Amino acid sequence: GNSVTQMEGPVTLSEEAFLTINCTYTATGYPSLFWYVQYPGEGLQLLLKATKADDKGSNKGFEATYRKETTSFHLEKGSVQVSDSAVYFCALSDLRSNYQLIWGAGTKLIIKP
Amino acid sequence: DAGITQSPRYKITETGRQVTLMCHQTWSHSYMFWYRQDLGHGLRLIYYSAAADITDKGEVPDGYVVSRSKTENFPLTLESATRSQTSVYFCASKDFTSGASTDTQYFGPGTRLTVL
Repeated sequence: GNSVTQMEGPVTLSEEAFLTINCTYTATGYPSLFWYVQYPGEGLQLLLKATKADDKGSNKGFEATYRKETTSFHLEKGSVQVSDSAVYFCALSDLRSNYQLIWGAGTKLIIKP
Repeated sequence: DAGITQSPRYKITETGRQVTLMCHQTWSHSYMFWYRQDLGHGLRLIYYSAAADITDKGEVPDGYVVSRSKTENFPLTLESATRSQTSVYFCASKDFTSGASTDTQYFGPGTRLTVL
């Protein structure tokens, strides 16, 4: 079945560092891919998404490129801020999952000033 | 207010009691979802609904009951609460379009439930 694997956290970085959070997926179809973010004490919100191979999603300085050849959707940001501290979830959705989101376990990001 | 709301935000109950968590959305989204979030397990789908009066099981439905008589409401009931149901519960909704796999889910703020 479909699945999503994220790098384990927590990931701790200093402010202005480069961020990469790895996400790989297993899917038999052609899924859409998502990154959601959960700030402390809040619900999840969509950060970015990509719907087909080679698409790049971007938002708030974050980017992720849908790589079908490596089945990956790694999240990157060039210069992180303390306010980026949150838990980041990678997810996929496709017809075979009946459009339910299949979630990764989440990666906690801690940015130190 | 527009959006998706959950109530209560915090609930403490005892083993064996019935508890109902409420979810309300103002967008008239067709799909609604209930998730639980536990350390080490990420998000797990409990139940979802494609429309009023249509519900289906997710990954972890045992011990939970849902109903959806109106599009905007999707209550989750724990018929006889157990300690293992201590968790944070999130409700979400999304609209259905022709590109359903791309549709964004919108989450409520969560309900933190403690079963003693």
